[in-house]
Amino acid sequence: GAVVSQHPSWVICKSGTSVKIECRSLDFQATTMFWYRQFPKQSLMLMATSNEGSKATYEQGVEKDKFLINHASLTLSTLTVTSAHPEDSSFYICSAYRSYEQYFGPGTRLTVT
Amino acid sequence: TQLLEQSPQFLSIQEGENLTVYCNSSSVFSSLQWYRQEPGEGPVLLVTVVTGGEVKKLKRLTFQFGDARKDSSLHITAAQPGDTGLYLCAGGSQGNLIFGKGTKLSVKP
Repeated sequence: GAVVSQHPSWVICKSGTSVKIECRSLDFQATTMFWYRQFPKQSLMLMATSNEGSKATYEQGVEKDKFLINHASLTLSTLTVTSAHPEDSSFYICSAYRSYEQYFGPGTRLTVT
Repeated sequence: TQLLEQSPQFLSIQEGENLTVYCNSSSVFSSLQWYRQEPGEGPVLLVTVVTGGEVKKLKRLTFQFGDARKDSSLHITAAQPGDTGLYLCAGGSQGNLIFGKGTKLSVKP
């Protein structure tokens, strides 16, 4: 099966700092990757669609200047949470698209203090 | 706007019981996926159904796609504690997935 990794798996940062999360497709090339956010006991909320070599497409209500997405290669997409605040604390999950299916990474738990 | 409604939201059963989770929409989907997610982990793809009326089996799990491709069901036979988790249905086209709110299943020994 397709394998997607995320790094780091958890991170604690201070308010006002920036955090970068990496999403890699390990055994296939993904022209499209997705970033989701999940609050406790809730379903996944799509934040943005990341396309290799082009600008990401953000969902309504998601600040593109706060959540910077870069998809520089066919196997790597990054999400940078800039000037993080406690309300940005959440579980961030990426997925890579292949053959009509999405394969998810293990998630990154971000805690902003 | 496409929406997927899952029911029930919560389900607590004893080991050995059967259960069915439903995923309904007023929209047609080109495909529908079922995922299982455990706390602190990403969702794991269980199955993809693409043809109206399709039935797929994965050991004790049976997945069905409605004839009109607007709804799907997941049936678990003789549930085990290891089946505990959040079950998510997701429908989509062209890669974009819309997720249901999930069904949190707890199977007690």
